[in-house]
Amino acid sequence: DGGITQSPKYLFRKEGQNVTLSCEQNLNHDAMYWYRQDPGQGLRLIYYSQIVNDFQKGDIAEGYSVSREKKESFPLTVTSAQKNPTAFYLCASSMDRSSYNEQFFGPGTRLTVL
Amino acid sequence: GNSVTQMEGPVTLSEEAFLTINCTYTATGYPSLFWYVQYPGEGLQLLLKATKADDKGSNKGFEATYRKETTSFHLEKGSVQVSDSAVYFCALRAETSGSRLTFGEGTQLTVNP
Repeated sequence: DGGITQSPKYLFRKEGQNVTLSCEQNLNHDAMYWYRQDPGQGLRLIYYSQIVNDFQKGDIAEGYSVSREKKESFPLTVTSAQKNPTAFYLCASSMDRSSYNEQFFGPGTRLTVL
Repeated sequence: GNSVTQMEGPVTLSEEAFLTINCTYTATGYPSLFWYVQYPGEGLQLLLKATKADDKGSNKGFEATYRKETTSFHLEKGSVQVSDSAVYFCALRAETSGSRLTFGEGTQLTVNP
């Protein structure tokens, strides 16, 4: 089955540690995205990538980093510089940068900083 | 800039009641409009979309019409079920934003039997 997988589903980290969230898609999509969701808030865009080896900052990129070395993978690293990292993180992909193509979402990773 | 405003939740209805969730937007040009649904503990799923003025998107009994004159894309369903309980997000993709989406805050819907 084609889709987007995110792992792990739940992640705990100690303050001051970096942690990397995985996102893989087998939809052959060019574009991939990372969003953050906080309780009672909409989704906010962290980073996005429209093609391999290229990515752009979203609205809340500070304290995060990404890489896009392969078309199917777009890992997100939450660094110790992120002041309030506890949140639900969603990865998405779309066929290309066209405004008509919908985004497909993964099941999410819930990160808790202890 | 681009923005989406949804009616505040939570919304609680009885089964078979009529549902309306209001959504208005601010964007230049002619954005594409979307409704996504998020069931507890899961990612978002596309519910319906409309890409030009007066288009009506529909799916699973839900409908929304793209109204350019009122910059609105209200979600409606004639008879809700318990299984419709979820968070609903309105979103837009502006012409100048490539594939980026702008989301509303989401509206929590609970349907009681």
